[in-house]
Amino acid sequence: DTAVSQTPKYLVTQMGNDKSIKCEQNLGHDTMYWYKQDSKKFLKIMFSYNNKELIINETVPNRFSPKSPDKAHLNLHINSLELGDSAVYFCASSHLSGLAPGGYGYTFGSGTRLTVV
Amino acid sequence: AQSVTQPDIHITVSEGASLELRCNYSYGATPYLFWYVQSPGQGLQLLLKYFSGDTLVQGIKGFEAEFKRSQSSFNLRKPSVHWSDAAEYFCAVGVRAGGTSYGKLTFGQGTILTVHP
Repeated sequence: DTAVSQTPKYLVTQMGNDKSIKCEQNLGHDTMYWYKQDSKKFLKIMFSYNNKELIINETVPNRFSPKSPDKAHLNLHINSLELGDSAVYFCASSHLSGLAPGGYGYTFGSGTRLTVV
Repeated sequence: AQSVTQPDIHITVSEGASLELRCNYSYGATPYLFWYVQSPGQGLQLLLKYFSGDTLVQGIKGFEAEFKRSQSSFNLRKPSVHWSDAAEYFCAVGVRAGGTSYGKLTFGQGTILTVHP
């Protein structure tokens, strides 16, 4: 069973479109994240949610809107896509902060490669 | 603000040779340190983590890392590299997110490992 699953795995779309990426975790974690990996492989956090509540919003354009219907799901909706949004988007999850001694840290999904043309 | 530096962008080793990937961090408090591996087209897999205690940490796939507070380093090592270890390796520091008890990862820029037969 996949612990953190993202769909779709690949997404090619035109500038100006609106698209969504879905993420689900079956680990029983209560905190979920979106990270963006740019073309230079640099990974940066975008958002985190704990039990459907927004915890972290790292200066992301408001064209990006995360939605968490329940603690096992965190979706990412992107409006008016731009060329610069092309990247790999990773979903991750953790129990609480992910920083508890003896804990398992953060579990990542396999990523969604978004290409805007 | 916290930061992670991986000085080596690309390392090439021969199969069977030993490996050390360097990681230096900057963080004012006790660091929570991670190493992840990303195979081509794949997600991020946790190799090992350091939260506290013994400064030599054992991970999966025969990897280990040593936390050296005096050098602000968390270098990853493997005594004998296998061809399947070819991938990109990311060091990360886990920090509390701005006044909350929740965490986030700040990543280094990654080190690409090539293994020659």
